Amino acid sequence: GESVGLHLPTLSVQEGDNSIINCAYSNSASDYFIWYKQESGKGPQFIIDIRSNMDKRQGQRVTVLLNKTVKHLSLQIAATQPGDSAVYFCAENSGGGADGLTFGKGTHLIIQP
Amino acid sequence: GAVVSQHPSRVICKSGTSVKIECRSLDFQATTMFWYRQFPKQSLMLMATSNEGSKATYEQGVEKDKFLINHASLTLSTLTVTSAHPEDSSFYICSAREGRTGQYNSPLHFGNGTRLTVT
Repeated sequence: GESVGLHLPTLSVQEGDNSIINCAYSNSASDYFIWYKQESGKGPQFIIDIRSNMDKRQGQRVTVLLNKTVKHLSLQIAATQPGDSAVYFCAENSGGGADGLTFGKGTHLIIQP
Repeated sequence: GAVVSQHPSRVICKSGTSVKIECRSLDFQATTMFWYRQFPKQSLMLMATSNEGSKATYEQGVEKDKFLINHASLTLSTLTVTSAHPEDSSFYICSAREGRTGQYNSPLHFGNGTRLTVT
């Protein structure tokens, strides 16, 4: 069935560098996307979201890019810090009355000192 | 911001017993809450949608008699794992969304999960 997936399971970057986490989705009906950060033993924490009528949205040190043509979503984290180490999930909501989100597989971001 | 509280954070129980997990929205009302299950190093899988004042909606493959959901108020949903077995050991996470049911273009807020270990 249609699902949200990620290209890389693990991403290792040097502290201070920028990181990019990618996500491919296949449900063309999806119109709302969210990035979550999950630290070990905790629940997912909202980072940033984007609606399908936008292609870019910026937050504090984070930017989400949406390319609907190729069904691709990315999360950019600027000037990474040790506290950014976590698993990052993209999630989509295709609407149609379904309130629950569909999560991607997750990328483990490791920040090296 | 919206806070979802989940209790307990960890629980160990013996096979055959039942365990109740609580999910509360602390500063907002949630007509709908969601229960997810997460295995180690895997993504979150939606188990069921909890609707205040009505029956929960279960995802395909989730046993409703095994995972009892009660959403008695606008701020509380409970998940009871009945007759627990070792294969029920997992990380259970609840979530809720601010706003009206069906207003799906807003983020879900998650609790910190419950680590269930069945011995």
